[in-house]
Amino acid sequence: SQTIHQWPATLVQPVGSPLSLECTVEGTSNPNLYWYRQAAGRGLQLLFYSVGIGQISSEVPQNLSASRPQDRQFILSSKKLLLSDSGFYLCAWSRDRADPEAFFGQGTRLTVV
Amino acid sequence: AQSVTQLDSHVSVSEGTPVLLRCNYSSSYSPSLFWYVQHPNKGLQLLLKYTSAATLVKGINGFEAEFKKSETSFHLTKPSAHMSDAAEYFCVVSDHTNAGKSTFGDGTTLTVKP
Repeated sequence: SQTIHQWPATLVQPVGSPLSLECTVEGTSNPNLYWYRQAAGRGLQLLFYSVGIGQISSEVPQNLSASRPQDRQFILSSKKLLLSDSGFYLCAWSRDRADPEAFFGQGTRLTVV
Repeated sequence: AQSVTQLDSHVSVSEGTPVLLRCNYSSSYSPSLFWYVQHPNKGLQLLLKYTSAATLVKGINGFEAEFKKSETSFHLTKPSAHMSDAAEYFCVVSDHTNAGKSTFGDGTTLTVKP
């Protein structure tokens, strides 16, 4: 069976510090991978998606970047965090465009102070 | 292009009474539609999905939804609410284009009163 792991679960970082959130998927190959952000009381906003190694598409301009160094690894990064980067970040995967059901990690609560 | 609108940001029901969470969508293609549930500080769990098969879809925990193309709706229902149903619910549409990206509604917070 497929599983998705996302860590850390919570993170408190000072403004201006770097960020690295990691997500890995097991039990499938060549998944589509996604990073979402959920602001308080709002829905999910798609930040990045990837259809393959090294292929990253950004949905919104921002202070964050994403990388996919391996087939089942997806990393969300920032060189210098802003207060506005605080939120709940979710990683997800799906099989392909013909089967768009997404499977989500447990999320990372990021607080920038 | 695709979009989804959850018509109620908050719904409050009494335990044992029916639940109705409303969702309208817009899609240029035949969409797939989903309902997810999120408990506080947790990831999202799939409740049910519609992918062009039966229009009445049954999901987990007694939830079901009906796809109505003429009304562009996909409302979520449950005959009898349980305290454990209190959570955030998201309606999601995907039209199979662009890597299967999905568009999420803003969510509906369901409160269940004893």
